[in-house]
Amino acid sequence: AQTVTQSQPEMSVQEAETVTLSCTYDTSENNYYLFWYKQPPSRQMILVIRQEAYKQQNATENRFSVNFQKAAKSFSLKISDSQLGDTAMYFCAFFGRSNDYKLSFGAGTTVTVRA
Amino acid sequence: DGGITQSPKYLFRKEGQNVTLSCEQNLNHDAMYWYRQDPGQGLRLIYYSQIVNDFQKGDIAEGYSVSREKKESFPLTVTSAQKNPTAFYLCASSPPGSYEQYFGPGTRLTVT
Repeated sequence: AQTVTQSQPEMSVQEAETVTLSCTYDTSENNYYLFWYKQPPSRQMILVIRQEAYKQQNATENRFSVNFQKAAKSFSLKISDSQLGDTAMYFCAFFGRSNDYKLSFGAGTTVTVRA
Repeated sequence: DGGITQSPKYLFRKEGQNVTLSCEQNLNHDAMYWYRQDPGQGLRLIYYSQIVNDFQKGDIAEGYSVSREKKESFPLTVTSAQKNPTAFYLCASSPPGSYEQYFGPGTRLTVT
């Protein structure tokens, strides 16, 4: 399976502050897709943001944005203006031909937003 | 409302018993997936199916079995051969030609 590494098991952030989650992956492909999923305490997996590797522009969805560094194989997620509802586990995932077009997930980062 | 349903939310079984987890979708998606989630680990793929009457093993298929007799349904059976069956199980589906997966609410299986 494709290797996706999230090196931060837990992070804590004050409400309204910004937090950045790191993700690195291993591939020799040029075209693939990357995702960040959110899993709140309800355990429902929710797609937060997606990035297509052939697009140079970093994806943005409201307060969520990514820093996609293709050469470095890095895909970090920035949560701006953190809200209590952002408290969740966040998973980075890779999708590509080298993984038979299946999703490979990192181990996750637990984010706690403090009031 | 379209979506993916998994039932029940919590399931308890005795060791040595087979148990079947339900996954139903009314999104008209072709592909369906089963994942296992353990504490401190990401999701690991058990089985997936791209089309009715066809399915493939994922990364951790040993001790599990599936069927895909209908497009809407992809049940997972956890057999007594699965050595550590206690986990959270997530089902997902994906529309034709898409790489995005949509997840159900999950089933927490506890085997004692």
